[in-house]
Amino acid sequence: DIVMTQSPGSLAVSLGERATINCKSSQSVLYSSSNKNYLAWYQQKPGQPPKLLIYWASTRDSEVPDRFSGSGSGTDFTLTISSLQAEDVAVYYCQQYYSTPYTFGQGTKLEIK
Amino acid sequence: QVQLQESGPGLVKPSETLSLTCTVSGDSVSSGSYYWSWIRQPPGKGLEWIGYIYYSGSTNYNPSLKSRVTISVDTSKNQFSLKLSSVTAADSAVYYCARGGAGGYDFFDYWGQGTLVTVSS
Repeated sequence: DIVMTQSPGSLAVSLGERATINCKSSQSVLYSSSNKNYLAWYQQKPGQPPKLLIYWASTRDSEVPDRFSGSGSGTDFTLTISSLQAEDVAVYYCQQYYSTPYTFGQGTKLEIK
Repeated sequence: QVQLQESGPGLVKPSETLSLTCTVSGDSVSSGSYYWSWIRQPPGKGLEWIGYIYYSGSTNYNPSLKSRVTISVDTSKNQFSLKLSSVTAADSAVYYCARGGAGGYDFFDYWGQGTLVTVSS
């Protein structure tokens, strides 16, 4: 199995400031034939299912605000929220879909400082 | 708009079989473009992929659960189902059904609201 490790486990950021969440995979999730990274990011608010934010490591899903961005390649990835809004308080998960079993990071809890 | 809705008992006794159904609207489980997955989340913990089914009936299960899991599809009702046998308290979780793309688009773009299943006597 590919192990996904997120850091930090929790994060407190002031409104309007930048938030950065890291995700590391135990092996590369870059599919060489397509040159795409099989890495997604999800946002989960209390009592709700996860919501897809980003796929292919850097492609925003439809209607996701452009303050959310994803970067990285191979084994190291980052989710950045450029200017934190109150509604961004949530737990964020990365997920690899390079191979089954699909696996998720343990989650990063984002709060307002 | 694609919607998924889980249904089934919220309480299951230890050693019995957990059975859940996901009803899909706004899309067809017969679509060859998607896999239909089950994912679970123990209270306060992270996400675990259980397995998926393709419209043809082919399945792919997480090896950690493979011996106890069966996922099936009913195209006439536009539903797919999960059975997990010999449950213990460790199987208590919110169970989600979700749509994932086939052909390399395996991220989950639509999720059900989830249903809490508690294993207790």
